Amino acid sequence: QVQLVQSGAEVKKPGASVKVSCKASGYTFTSYYMHWVRQAPGQGLEWMGIINPSGGSTSYAQKFQGRVTMTRDTSTSTVYMELSSLRSEDTAVYYCARVPPSDKLGMDVWGQGTTVTVSS
Amino acid sequence: DVVMTQSPLSLPVTLGQPASISCRSSQSLVYSDGNTYLNWFQQRPGQSPRRLIYKVSNRDSGVPDRFSGSGSGTDFTLKISRVEAEDVGVYYCMQGTHWPPTFGGGTKVEIK
Repeated sequence: QVQLVQSGAEVKKPGASVKVSCKASGYTFTSYYMHWVRQAPGQGLEWMGIINPSGGSTSYAQKFQGRVTMTRDTSTSTVYMELSSLRSEDTAVYYCARVPPSDKLGMDVWGQGTTVTVSS
Repeated sequence: DVVMTQSPLSLPVTLGQPASISCRSSQSLVYSDGNTYLNWFQQRPGQSPRRLIYKVSNRDSGVPDRFSGSGSGTDFTLKISRVEAEDVGVYYCMQGTHWPPTFGGGTKVEIK
């Protein structure tokens, strides 16, 4: 079955960077784009960006330009999201979500989420 | 960016009764290919979001038929015909027609 399994929780200090992974299984990794979405405590969903696992091209939300980098490793069917210059407001659950072929920018399968806590 | 506005923010419902959530977009969500890329997600407490509905009215596999989506242009609705205890959670609409994709603020469904 299609699965996205994310890396474990992280605790970081302000100014540091965090790299979250999302390992895909059950489908052809390079055939589906992948989103990253985050959710601050008690808040709604916020789109961060998207990566094409086939060629590695990316597009980021303006808010995160310059601070976020999304990459992939086709040999392990894994996408990564690295966020730098962390501040307390980056404390959130970070999700990867697959784009289905028939739904333009939709999200049909989600990872379990990775909690990132930024605290001094 | 397209602004997605959901109402109500909170929806207390009696078990077995219907529920309706509204989602309005600041621009038409009809894409040049004729499709309308409006999705609905359910997020149960402590869980990841789960897609319920795509392209306005198409239910995902495994989604109970008490969930239905409707609407067009800028006005959309998610209906639950008879609320069950497992339906408690926050519901989000999301548009994928325009760049970047954007979410509504969420509607919290709870049992009275």
